[in-house]
Amino acid sequence: KNQVEQSPQSLIILEGKNCTLQCNYTVSPFSNLRWYKQDTGRGPVSLTIMTFSENTKSNGRYTATLDADTKQSSLHITASQLSDSASYICVVSAGSNYQLIWGAGTKLIIKP
Amino acid sequence: GAVVSQHPSWVICKSGTSVKIECRSLDFQATTMFWYRQFPKQSLMLMATSNEGSKATYEQGVEKDKFLINHASLTLSTLTVTSAHPEDSSFYICSARTPARGRTGELFFGEGSRLTVL
Repeated sequence: KNQVEQSPQSLIILEGKNCTLQCNYTVSPFSNLRWYKQDTGRGPVSLTIMTFSENTKSNGRYTATLDADTKQSSLHITASQLSDSASYICVVSAGSNYQLIWGAGTKLIIKP
Repeated sequence: GAVVSQHPSWVICKSGTSVKIECRSLDFQATTMFWYRQFPKQSLMLMATSNEGSKATYEQGVEKDKFLINHASLTLSTLTVTSAHPEDSSFYICSARTPARGRTGELFFGEGSRLTVL
């Protein structure tokens, strides 16, 4: 069964600190993996998309990694800001029709 | 980046009425659009895939007669919640996929529509 699991479910850190969010998946056949940021009451915004051959991709203070062998991905946020408070969702695309398998998300709260 | 506009952003209606939500891709042609609903503290749940010029493909458990989807043009898809009931109250989000370069088309999301049925 295709599944995407994210951890932790929620995380609270102080402004300026770094953090890492995890995503494990059992999706086959794998097409690509996406990280989205969703502010409360808003639509998701894409942070990164990685294909099978990509190990790491950065978008400003966000760096995503992908280990296709262990089927794990992480999203590292550097020097967190209050505006980083949001839900971060890992989505894996499967198969030739690019079916999207959604993780439940990690709710990140940045405190001043 | 590409922009997807969703309207209305929030709507309150009486039980039994129908509500239409529009999703527009403003600067690209989207042959495929997706409709999701999201309950509080949960992730997005795909309801249906909307293909321009053809019938929508609904996910298991989603009533196609209740959630009518029309994708009449390459830039517009609409979701109509017919005979809405309080249990239909939710956050509805659309997304549009850009034409794929290689094998990865980018997904852009609308801002969502908050439906409250009284």
